[in-house]
Amino acid sequence: ETGVTQSPTHLIKTRGQQVTLRCSSQSGHNTVSWYQQALGQGPQFIFQYYREEENGRGNFPPRFSGLQFPNYSSELNVNALELDDSALYLCASSLGGDYNSPLHFGNGTRLTVT
Amino acid sequence: AQSVAQPEDQVNVAEGNPLTVKCTYSVSGNPYLFWYVQYPNRGLQFLLKYITGDNLVKGSYGFEAEFNKSQTSFHLKKPSALVSDSALYFCAVRDIGSNYQLIWGAGTKLIIKP
Repeated sequence: ETGVTQSPTHLIKTRGQQVTLRCSSQSGHNTVSWYQQALGQGPQFIFQYYREEENGRGNFPPRFSGLQFPNYSSELNVNALELDDSALYLCASSLGGDYNSPLHFGNGTRLTVT
Repeated sequence: AQSVAQPEDQVNVAEGNPLTVKCTYSVSGNPYLFWYVQYPNRGLQFLLKYITGDNLVKGSYGFEAEFNKSQTSFHLKKPSALVSDSALYFCAVRDIGSNYQLIWGAGTKLIIKP
């Protein structure tokens, strides 16, 4: 089975710019969630998509938005980048509705905002 | 509100010795508990989970975890540590009040010394 893949692996942006991060979910998984992990901290939940609909959101401002496509791949968009947005962004896929199902993570995108 | 605590920022163990990484939780209802491991510059990898049944759960790479309802704990253990076990370990619990999102602990850095 194909695992979760994220692109790009690293990205450097300037404050005020916009960025799009991409994620391909593991085959058979219909749910994608995104996390922000600052250096030395645990993952912080941004939002989750199930069958192309957002069905959960963490405490992040509206300039963090996302999409899920019919093939269950996903995008995370961040507008008006701030220095504090510098972090590792993790995508995870799972089988929606199966609460026993663990998350399968990609290796993340390291975003640096200067 | 659901929460997870990992009281130790770092745990140091000599190779070959048993290791324990602590996790306590607070949930309403039955807990769905997970352990993940993160190696440098990588995403999180699922180790094991407790949903119901035996209090001792066995997982990947020789790890196991003991669920203790009275102490609301879910400590990660391994009988004999390897240097390659050195990594960041995260405990998580499903938040049944928030569409079953995962609530994460802050992580414990495990260092195994030769």
